[in-house]
Order: sequence, then C-alpha cells, then structure tokens
Amino acid sequence: DVQLVQSGAEVKRPGESLRISCTASGYRFTSNWIGWVRQMPGKGLQWMGIIYPGDSETRYSPSFEGQVTISADKSTSTVYLQWSRLKASDTATYYCARLVDNWGVPYWFDPWGQGTLVIVSS
Amino acid sequence: EIVMTQSPATLSVSPGERATLSCRASQSISDNLAWYQQKPGQAPRLLIHSASTRATGVPVRFSGSGSGTEFTLTISSLQSEDFAVYYCQQYSSWPPLTFGGGTKVDIK
Repeated sequence: DVQLVQSGAEVKRPGESLRISCTASGYRFTSNWIGWVRQMPGKGLQWMGIIYPGDSETRYSPSFEGQVTISADKSTSTVYLQWSRLKASDTATYYCARLVDNWGVPYWFDPWGQGTLVIVSS
Repeated sequence: EIVMTQSPATLSVSPGERATLSCRASQSISDNLAWYQQKPGQAPRLLIHSASTRATGVPVRFSGSGSGTEFTLTISSLQSEDFAVYYCQQYSSWPPLTFGGGTKVDIK
C-alpha cells in the first residue's frame, strides 16, 4: 500500500527554524509529485507547493513562495518542509500528499499523510 | 489563479436523507475536479476525481457530476460516518492547485 508517514508534532518559539518530514513507501518515490497543504486551526485547505523527487523540480504557491522551502531526499524517500524563521501565524496542521499525475502534470492528492501539528508560540 | 467557491458553508441533513453540495470554478476547468472528505482530527481522503470517478473503496452513495464551472457532489442517503467537511480541488491550471473553502455536513 502507498503510505506517507509524517514526523511528530512540534512546539516552537517565533523566530526559530523548523523542518518537518514526510516519508513515502509502497511506490516508486521518484515517479510522483508530493505536495504540502496547510490547514490553519478551524480553517480550510491551502496548497503550499509541490516537489518532483525525481529531479527535485519544485513549484510554490505565490502565497508561500519565499516563506518555506520544500526539498526531497531520494535515499530515504523523504520530503521536507522547512522554515528559517517561524511566526505565530505558521501555527497549523501541515499535510503531505502524493499527487496522481498524467505525463508529469499533477492532478489530485492521494493518499495523504496523517498531518503534523506545528504550534508557534512565545 | 482559479478560485473555487463551495456552497453552502454548512448543510444540515438528517441520516438517510440526500445531500447535495456545490462547487463553482471562476473559469472553466473541464472535468479537472476532485472531491475530498475530512473527518474531525483526520487527514483528508480522496472521494472523487475527474469530476465523477469514485476513488477506490468509496461507497456508491457518493457521486460527482458537472463540468466547466459547475460541479455537484451528491450523497444519496447519508450515513452517520458521512458527517464531515467536504472540499473540492481543481487541477486544470497550476500553480496554484486550488481548493474550495469547504462544506460542513452536520446532523439535523
């Protein structure tokens, strides 16, 4: 079965850095885009960006460009989401999800990781 | 950017009744639309892709329809496990891939 397992919850201070992870299994890691989606408390889903682990091509939503960095490690089938300086407004649950695609064009998200709760508070 | 608008924001339905959820795109997206279900404390789950194709394991009471800018998710007879939030997502034009704001289906 295709499975995405995310790292555990984090509590950080504003200004700190953070990297959360998403480890894939059950399929060829380099053959599908993986994306990150933010869900702020009580709110809807926001697409942040995606990466193609085969060549590390990365695309960001304009809302998140420059705010986060997405990377991938083919040796461990892991995708990362990283912040250099967290803000209180980064408090949210972050989901990774594999994208089903057609000739490299990303389509829908399936499956999803279990989510990583990030709390940023002084 | 294609904006996805879902209505209503909340739908109150009795168990066994039919639920009809709407999703509208700001421009034509053909049938490049997916629907997801999210239960409290859980990750979203794919229900429908290509506007009307059920994902593996999704019960037949869930059906999707529409093309262009107007889409509908119908739950023919609501079961207790169907009370959740439902999101639509377009993949016709990217970046960005965009989600609707969600429709919460709760118990009447």
